[in-house]
Amino acid sequence: KNEVEQSPQNLTAQEGEFITINCSYSVGISALHWLQQHPGGGIVSLFMLSSGKKKHGRLIATINIQEKHSSLHITASHPRDSAVYICAGTSQGGSEKLVFGKGTKLTVNP
Amino acid sequence: DAGVTQSPTHLIKTRGQQVTLRCSPISGHKSVSWYQQVLGQGPQFIFQYYEKEERGRGNFPDRFSARQFPNYSSELNVNALLLGDSALYLCASSLVYRDSPLHFGNGTRLTVT
Repeated sequence: KNEVEQSPQNLTAQEGEFITINCSYSVGISALHWLQQHPGGGIVSLFMLSSGKKKHGRLIATINIQEKHSSLHITASHPRDSAVYICAGTSQGGSEKLVFGKGTKLTVNP
Repeated sequence: DAGVTQSPTHLIKTRGQQVTLRCSPISGHKSVSWYQQVLGQGPQFIFQYYEKEERGRGNFPDRFSARQFPNYSSELNVNALLLGDSALYLCASSLVYRDSPLHFGNGTRLTVT
């Protein structure tokens, strides 16, 4: 079992829909990252959070440390949001070792 | 400010050869991490360097090595290449050594034939 699990693996939505991607982790982490990867490979860091909630534009990320669960929400989705979304936890310890989920492929149709 | 730059962007090598990948972090960033992403999978942590010292190592064989230079740029070396080393190699930099937002380069696509 992967230490970081994401669901769903694939998600197709219509433009304007509210999107939720879930991330559960079984290891102790000190921070949770949400990343966006477009075709071609480049990764953009969306959020880093260790508690509570963060918002940036149409994106919202939440984390529940006790339940070891995080969610990424996209409001008013748009075709340009189509990408792979990856959650990754910084494992507790002395380095920035990230443990990654396998990613959620999001397709938003016009 | 320039982002994280990686070179080369693409590389084709044959089995048994050696390869060196390069990464320049964002100016002022002292931490560089390397990740391997096989097609269809999430990235896997290889190394982290901070202030020119190795701070973390993932589950990769000794064929993989890295170093960080005084200007904080970094090189990843892979010896005795195997077909399974074919992947996208990503570098990320951050200001401090942990719990700091990461900035990724566009990666080096390595193909081993």
